[in-house]
Amino acid sequence: RKEVEQDPGPFNVPEGATVAFNCTYSNSASQSFFWYRQDCRKEPKLLMSVYSSGNEDGRFTAQLNRASQYISLLIRDSKLSDSATYLCVPTRGSYQKVTFGTGTKLQVIP
Amino acid sequence: DVKVTQSSRYLVKRTGEKVFLECVQDMDHENMFWYRQDPGLGLRLIYFSYDVKMKEKGDIPEGYSVSREKKERFSLILESASTNQTSMYLCASRAGDEQFFGPGTRLTVL
Repeated sequence: RKEVEQDPGPFNVPEGATVAFNCTYSNSASQSFFWYRQDCRKEPKLLMSVYSSGNEDGRFTAQLNRASQYISLLIRDSKLSDSATYLCVPTRGSYQKVTFGTGTKLQVIP
Repeated sequence: DVKVTQSSRYLVKRTGEKVFLECVQDMDHENMFWYRQDPGLGLRLIYFSYDVKMKEKGDIPEGYSVSREKKERFSLILESASTNQTSMYLCASRAGDEQFFGPGTRLTVL
């Protein structure tokens, strides 16, 4: 089983739609969780951290389900500029390797 | 602003050549990483380092080595480049939980 699994997509959604991505991880020792965003031909950048209680940043909401070992990202009122690949990243600690998911591609269409 | 720089954006080498990819970060981060990114496979960790002269294998270390003589510099070495090492190479450094990526080096091995 892969350490991190994501649906590669693409998810093609109209502007204004709500879209959700899930990510499952296999290592129960994972401690911290993140979503990164990667634009086409650019490097990944941190989008948001994911807390056990869930967290929201504007139109973006991230949730963590430790029991089922998955994290989710919800984007409301999609904008054209949200088009990117979203990478899921569970981490285990400062001196441990960091494994990225393969990413979910989102295309927001006018 | 954290800055991670990579020595080249594009590189073309021949099979059998020794290749050096350099990465420099300016924020005194302890952790540094080398990934390669290929379509459909996402980011795969080659090596990482959590201190000067320390290195740990990632998920795909075969055919690569690394060097970390100074805290700010992490080098990836392809001892004898092969065509299957044609890829986008991304370096990252880490502060706390967030990883900061360089712009990437697109390496083509002919």
